[in-house]
Amino acid sequence: KNQVEQSPQSLIILEGKNCTLQCNYTVSPFSNLRWYKQDTGRGPVSLTIMTFSENTKSNGRYTATLDADTKQSSLHITASQLSDSASYICVVGLGGATNKLIFGTGTLLAVQP
Amino acid sequence: DAGVTQSPTHLIKTRGQQVTLRCSPKSGHDTVSWYQQALGQGPQFIFQYYEEEERQRGNFPDRFSGHQFPNYSSELNVNALLLGDSALYLCASSRGQGNQPQHFGDGTRLSIL
Repeated sequence: KNQVEQSPQSLIILEGKNCTLQCNYTVSPFSNLRWYKQDTGRGPVSLTIMTFSENTKSNGRYTATLDADTKQSSLHITASQLSDSASYICVVGLGGATNKLIFGTGTLLAVQP
Repeated sequence: DAGVTQSPTHLIKTRGQQVTLRCSPKSGHDTVSWYQQALGQGPQFIFQYYEEEERQRGNFPDRFSGHQFPNYSSELNVNALLLGDSALYLCASSRGQGNQPQHFGDGTRLSIL
């Protein structure tokens, strides 16, 4: 069964600190892995997209890693800001002609002053 | 350049009723996917439309149906509403099928009483 699991389920950190979110997947055929940020009451916004051959990608203070052998990914947030408070969702794209995505349940991050 | 727009933003219905949700894709996009997101969960894929045809479908009953118009906009119809249909319904658009980035709207919050 195609599945994406994320940990931790929720996380509280102080402003300015770093944090790392984890994603494990069992999806086949694999095409790409995406990290989305979803603010409360808003739609998800793409942070990074990585294909099989990429093992790291950055977007400002966000850095995603991918280990296709162990089927694990992480999202590292540097120097957190209050505006980073959101749900972070790991999404794996299925291979083939369609654009079907398998979503994780997300990690809810709260950044406190 | 307008992104993905969805209407209405909020909707309240009662059990047994029918509902239609609307989505206008991002300019230049021709593929529309619909997702259901229950509170505290990741989005679940409902179906995808391309060239006015349903191309892929997730594990949703026939009560969920859709349509895509020649201008690429799309509708999601749900018949015989159940309490469990209460959720945030997200629309995402992309350019063509395959592994293209998907852009999400902010969703329609549907509440069933």
